[in-house]
Amino acid sequence: QVQLQESGPGLVKPSQTLSLTCTVSGGSISSGDYYWSWLRQFPGKGLEWIGYIHYSGSTYYNPSLKSRVTISLDTSKNHFSLRLSSVTAADTAVYFCARDGGIIALGYWGQGTLVTVSS
Amino acid sequence: DIQMTQSPSSLSASVGDRVTITCRASQGISSSLAWYQQRPGKAPKLLLYGTSRLESGVPTRFSGSVSGTDFTLTISSLQPEDFATYYCQQYYTTPWTFGQGTKVEI
Repeated sequence: QVQLQESGPGLVKPSQTLSLTCTVSGGSISSGDYYWSWLRQFPGKGLEWIGYIHYSGSTYYNPSLKSRVTISLDTSKNHFSLRLSSVTAADTAVYFCARDGGIIALGYWGQGTLVTVSS
Repeated sequence: DIQMTQSPSSLSASVGDRVTITCRASQGISSSLAWYQQRPGKAPKLLLYGTSRLESGVPTRFSGSVSGTDFTLTISSLQPEDFATYYCQQYYTTPWTFGQGTKVEI
């Protein structure tokens, strides 16, 4: 059974960079034709897809965040990461990582981690 | 971006009721629609993908259908564990986008 777990600071200062890691267990991130995704859920409960990375290294980012987002992966550690620069209070949200199976959608999710942007 | 308009935003129902939630896409998305269930403090859980394909382990009281760009999630007989918030998601064109959610309350 594939499991995902987010980790990283729960508090980030405005203008700084948010960095999170998603560790995958129960399967290799470099096997299968999957896309490893980041999403976030705002306090008002709306869900936003941030972007994904394929094990080949190809990425796609939400255009609304593209200038601030980097998603990378480390196959040796079986994890992938999110960096979001120049954060503001509007980036306060619960951040989720998930496995995107293409036609079978987002079948596996991490439990989520709350990131608050505040000085 | 493709806009997903979900309705209603909330509903009250009783155990055993038949419940229907609708999601309208702003343009054609073929069958590339998924439904998720989210309980408080938990991650969304995939229920259906490809409009009507049941994810493994999901009870058969959940079903999905489509008419044009109007997608429907139906719970045939509401159970106590079904009280949660439901979201639709299109994955036809990036960026993937979600409906605003429907909270199903007792």
